[in-house]
Amino acid sequence: DTEVTQTPKHLVMGMTNKKSLKCEQHMGHRAMYWYKQKAKKPPELMFVYSYEKLSINESVPSRFSPECPNSSLLNLHLHALQPEDSALYLCASSQSTDRAYEQYFGPGTRLTVT
Amino acid sequence: GNSVTQMEGPVTLSEEAFLTINCTYTATGYPSLFWYVQYPGEGLQLLLKATKADDKGSNKGFEATYRKETTSFHLEKGSVQVSDSAVYFCARMGSGYNKLIFGAGTRLAVHP
Repeated sequence: DTEVTQTPKHLVMGMTNKKSLKCEQHMGHRAMYWYKQKAKKPPELMFVYSYEKLSINESVPSRFSPECPNSSLLNLHLHALQPEDSALYLCASSQSTDRAYEQYFGPGTRLTVT
Repeated sequence: GNSVTQMEGPVTLSEEAFLTINCTYTATGYPSLFWYVQYPGEGLQLLLKATKADDKGSNKGFEATYRKETTSFHLEKGSVQVSDSAVYFCARMGSGYNKLIFGAGTRLAVHP
């Protein structure tokens, strides 16, 4: 089973709201990722977690706050977002952050900020 | 620099036509290479991969061969179907850590 699940599928939020995106995998992977994808563009890496610790933050604004409560779960907390943050947010996982391992993506959460 | 370049789309084909989507990369060393596919309204699915020179990745009738001489990883399929209509991303593994570097994506539209 190579499934990564994400909830919710769609999210509309105002600029003053606080919301969270959730990601789950049961493949025993120890690396998890958040990507942002704008329309007609490739995904852009935001964060990398390795063994439940944040290892990479690609200079993402602090209004995005990741959390990894355990090895299967990854959250992205959102607060005071801007309309330009509207995008498809993709979660991915891999066996580890070793460069030999491929990443498996979830279906994404389509976020609209009004 | 370290980048991935794909042929611009959209690519429009009739059903059962032969498909080639070109992909070239620049890198130091020999990174793992991937093709991902994104169907409308969905996330990315790993289509195939190759981890070293001369490796051929294959899946669902798609193939790509890791050519270090030409730094290429072109995607091919002998007979496309309408259901293959999607955006295809070529990617390489970055140096230093497990960061995927994507090409711009190529949209494929297959008509009956």
